[in-house]
Amino acid sequence: SAVISQKPSRDICQRGTSLTIQCQVDSQVTMMFWYRQQPGQSLTLIATANQGSEATYESGFVIDKFPISRPNLTFSTLTVSNMSPEDSSIYLCSVEVVSKNTEAFFGQGTRLTVV
Amino acid sequence: LAKTTQPISMDSYEGQEVNITCSHNNIATNDYITWYQQFPSQGPRFIIQGYKTKVTNEVASLFIPADRKSSTLSLPRVSLSDTAVYYCLVGPHGAAGNKLTFGGGTRVLVKP
Repeated sequence: SAVISQKPSRDICQRGTSLTIQCQVDSQVTMMFWYRQQPGQSLTLIATANQGSEATYESGFVIDKFPISRPNLTFSTLTVSNMSPEDSSIYLCSVEVVSKNTEAFFGQGTRLTVV
Repeated sequence: LAKTTQPISMDSYEGQEVNITCSHNNIATNDYITWYQQFPSQGPRFIIQGYKTKVTNEVASLFIPADRKSSTLSLPRVSLSDTAVYYCLVGPHGAAGNKLTFGGGTRVLVKP
């Protein structure tokens, strides 16, 4: 299993500013994933964070808007840059563990409100 | 990744069995079927995973027909605390780093 801690759990930010979300895992993992969940919607993958290389972004997400750091195998950050009210969402960090099952573990999420 | 289709919502009552069917017509040979549960203000949580026939754990059962084009999650004797959104996903097993594609999920409301 894996235990994921995300900080902050929630924040209210002014438009035009940036917020950095931290994700700490209690074990070493090769890949970490960042998702966005807009109000009442499903999860959408933003990017895959690889240790030692640039993150891989999904269609519709760009590095300038969502820069990601992955300094080691247990930690990653996602920054939401130049925020607008449309960025108001829950942002979730996730890792996968392969044992009997291939299971994804998620952090509690960061609820971001942009005003 | 195979696309999945689930009912948008289901209502049930305490003590009843809830069955949620997911369609995945384009499932690949090496894909497994995995179900996640999400409560409000929490990240999704793994429930069960299977490849074929039937899988049962302490929380749920998963029924997969021979053609694997659909699957049914069965929650026995639900309680109010089972009110959540349930997601069906398909993807390769044993491939850490496999990207998960979440569909719309099924919002289950358990009533007293």
